Amino acid sequence: NAGVTQTPKFQVLKTGQSMTLQCAQDMNHNSMYWYRQDPGMGLRLIYYSASEGTTDKGEVPNGYNVSRLNKREFSLRLESAAPSQTSVYFCASSEEGPGALLYGYTFGSGTRLTVV
Amino acid sequence: AQSVTQLDSQVPVFEEAPVELRCNYSSSVSVYLFWYVQYPNQGLQLLLKYLSGSTLVKGINGFEAEFNKSQTSFHLRKPSVHISDTAEYFCAVSDLNDMRFGAGTRLTVKP
Repeated sequence: NAGVTQTPKFQVLKTGQSMTLQCAQDMNHNSMYWYRQDPGMGLRLIYYSASEGTTDKGEVPNGYNVSRLNKREFSLRLESAAPSQTSVYFCASSEEGPGALLYGYTFGSGTRLTVV
Repeated sequence: AQSVTQLDSQVPVFEEAPVELRCNYSSSVSVYLFWYVQYPNQGLQLLLKYLSGSTLVKGINGFEAEFNKSQTSFHLRKPSVHISDTAEYFCAVSDLNDMRFGAGTRLTVKP
């Protein structure tokens, strides 16, 4: 019962370095999401993909890019990391669209990223 | 756009005491409300949801929440908490197109 799998779990980057956070789900969900979680601010949506082949910006997309590689995988790329991107990143998926009423979202366990 | 305000950032409580975690929302359209729980070093899990019908909804682990349209609130309650309920709790609102989360309430249950 894997659900949503994120890699890596921890990462330290230097300012200006790039990296890709990986996310895969095995529930055949159509929609996938990337959130960042910061103290006192809750979860903020970075990007989402309502279906395979589509991606859209969320609340805080600046400094990030995404790729919906196939139905299972949705990656988040930081091209030039900045200290302001230090955060915990969560990937989520849902059977329904972004409103996800009936079943809610299924979340991965997160990636803790520190940019120094 | 809808938004969610969780009124308490931290709630300490003793084991077996009752607890209420407060959530207020704003929205110009019909709303659908959720509570999620995040245990340490884990992702969020759905605790309960209000879509329509009875304003009192029951979730997992003995939690319940009441939707109050006039007060635009969706407070989470449990009559008797356990140590294992220590976690962060997030209220969320959906308008069919977007899910917005509150800042979270850290519940700490002390022995």
